[in-house]
Amino acid sequence: GAVVSQHPSRVICKSGTSVKIECRSLDFQATTMFWYRQFPKQSLMLMATSNEGSKATYEQGVEKDKFLINHASLTLSTLTVTSAHPEDSSFYICSAATSYEQYFGPGTRLTVT
Amino acid sequence: GQNIDQPTEMTATEGAIVQINCTYQTSGFNGLFWYQQHAGEAPTFLSYNVLDGLEEKGRFSSFLSRSKGYSYLLLKELQMKDSASYLCAVRPSGGGADGLTFGKGTHLIIQP
Repeated sequence: GAVVSQHPSRVICKSGTSVKIECRSLDFQATTMFWYRQFPKQSLMLMATSNEGSKATYEQGVEKDKFLINHASLTLSTLTVTSAHPEDSSFYICSAATSYEQYFGPGTRLTVT
Repeated sequence: GQNIDQPTEMTATEGAIVQINCTYQTSGFNGLFWYQQHAGEAPTFLSYNVLDGLEEKGRFSSFLSRSKGYSYLLLKELQMKDSASYLCAVRPSGGGADGLTFGKGTHLIIQP
């Protein structure tokens, strides 16, 4: 149990375009989902906390208008990187939380050319 | 503020034991996690400590001292597949509703 999926696993896009990443909890309902970003040889950095049916809470330094988060149901959260730039190239990882645990998705490798 | 420190890189020999240390200073504490991460993959859960003491789980053990802001991950009978990054992460407060603060990870290299 406690499986989290992400789609796509890998995406390459051109600078200026938008990319949507989906995060799904497959066998449990998650009231809270988190989005993390990891640059090469760096640790995971929390970007935002997403609660079902409400606006996401963004960490300091993360632009909410650039990284749009929608948490439409208890099993799905989406992250849209708008007007992507090469510096947005990173590994984006979501996690879905129950009362006590966080379960990580397999990650999405975004490359912006 | 949040600060989590762990060594950048460690090297150990197959079959041996290695201890990876983690110190933290965070505003609030409600649990410390250890994750294993292979290159290009998402982290996988190894252990969770919220009370002082040692938690043992097969070849992996994790220790916590809240008064010292200190934890370690102990890996026994090292195997080549244990070569990975090991991430120490703290949950500042609450239950699952808080995001984790991660250290930069310790890259563990296992030599034959």
